[in-house]
Amino acid sequence: GAGVSQSPSNKVTEKGKDVELRCDPISGHTALYWYRQSLGQGLEFLIYFQGNSAPDKSGLPSDRFSAERTGGSVSTLTIQRTQQEDSAVYLCASSLFVQGGGDTQYFGPGTRLTVL
Amino acid sequence: AQSVTQLDSHVSVSEGTPVLLRCNYSSSYSPSLFWYVQHPNKGLQLLLKYTSAATLVKGINGFEAEFKKSETSFHLTKPSAHMSDAAEYFCVVTARYGNKLVFGAGTILRVKS
Repeated sequence: GAGVSQSPSNKVTEKGKDVELRCDPISGHTALYWYRQSLGQGLEFLIYFQGNSAPDKSGLPSDRFSAERTGGSVSTLTIQRTQQEDSAVYLCASSLFVQGGGDTQYFGPGTRLTVL
Repeated sequence: AQSVTQLDSHVSVSEGTPVLLRCNYSSSYSPSLFWYVQHPNKGLQLLLKYTSAATLVKGINGFEAEFKKSETSFHLTKPSAHMSDAAEYFCVVTARYGNKLVFGAGTILRVKS
């Protein structure tokens, strides 16, 4: 079946602009995660959604970052007033949630964001 | 807090020789542990996972890993490297609360012909 898809695959923007990154999870997966992969910081967790529970936003680096998940499916990560340090690959993953961990997270191909 | 240390940033092996990628974890509880692989310009792919069942875990493409609680290790091995194994490998642990993943810094595997 179809895997996790993300769009756009590449995004180049100017400093100070807002950007929206989209993630389409695997159908039926209740959990959705956003991670960021950058040269200086490696792979780091940003936010995750599970069903109707309040999202875990503990990894968001600043209040310029926000995300929503509509209808329990598609998610959008928004970065306002982008800065050069936001340049990274943004990865989305989805899973069938398992309480206590251990669920297999399936990753999308990522969106490469470049802030000039 | 949970953390993962990948002991080698780069490993180079010859094709047909064994592969060993080392990982130590720190956790105050029994974690779930994973190895993911990332080929150049590709997404992350799960190789294998440990979730408190058998301590020797077999994954895809001939890889396996052994969970050793006494050593807090989860090393990844393969008996014979193939050129297609050249990639970056990440050792990963689940966080204590919630299912978010905590990634190691990665090990780049180079396979020489």
